[in-house]
Amino acid sequence: DGGITQSPKYLFRKEGQNVTLSCEQNLNHDAMYWYRQDPGQGLRLIYYSQIVNDFQKGDIAEGYSVSREKKESFPLTVTSAQKNPTAFYLCASSIRPGFGSGANVLTFGAGSRLTVL
Amino acid sequence: KNEVEQSPQNLTAQEGEFITINCSYSVGISALHWLQQHPGGGIVSLFMLSSGKKKHGRLIATINIQEKHSSLHITASHPRDSAVYICANSGGSNYKLTFGKGTLLTVNP
Repeated sequence: DGGITQSPKYLFRKEGQNVTLSCEQNLNHDAMYWYRQDPGQGLRLIYYSQIVNDFQKGDIAEGYSVSREKKESFPLTVTSAQKNPTAFYLCASSIRPGFGSGANVLTFGAGSRLTVL
Repeated sequence: KNEVEQSPQNLTAQEGEFITINCSYSVGISALHWLQQHPGGGIVSLFMLSSGKKKHGRLIATINIQEKHSSLHITASHPRDSAVYICANSGGSNYKLTFGKGTLLTVNP
């Protein structure tokens, strides 16, 4: 079955540590996204990638880094520079980049919950 | 700046009731998305619409472009419909969706 796999589902980190969240898709989608979800807030865009070897900052990129070396993979690293990393992280993909034309649906992974101890 | 507002924030219903969740946005759009998030956290896309109405099973989504407003209706609600419902639109941005804060729906048996 096609879909997006995120791992780990739960992750605990000590302050000062970097952690990497995995996101793999077998949908052959060009575009991939990382969102952060906090209680009482809408999803916020961290980074997005429209094509392999290219990615762009979203609204809250500070303290995060990504890579897109393969079409199917878009890992997110939460660095020690991220001041408040405890959150639920969602990876998503779409068949092509851009929502301006309208006809583009997001497929989401199950999410990774990061807690800083 | 594109803003997306949902109402109500929380909604409790009895099984079988007709449910309406509202979404208003400030910037004209090409399409509006309705999403469902279950307690485990995973999100699925329910609808994407740019005009009129769409129906899937007991779910109906409508949009009024002139009024910048969309509604999600659930007919004959069931406890398994309990979830957070989220609307989102691109608000003119080519690469980014702006998401509402979500409506938590609880359907009691």
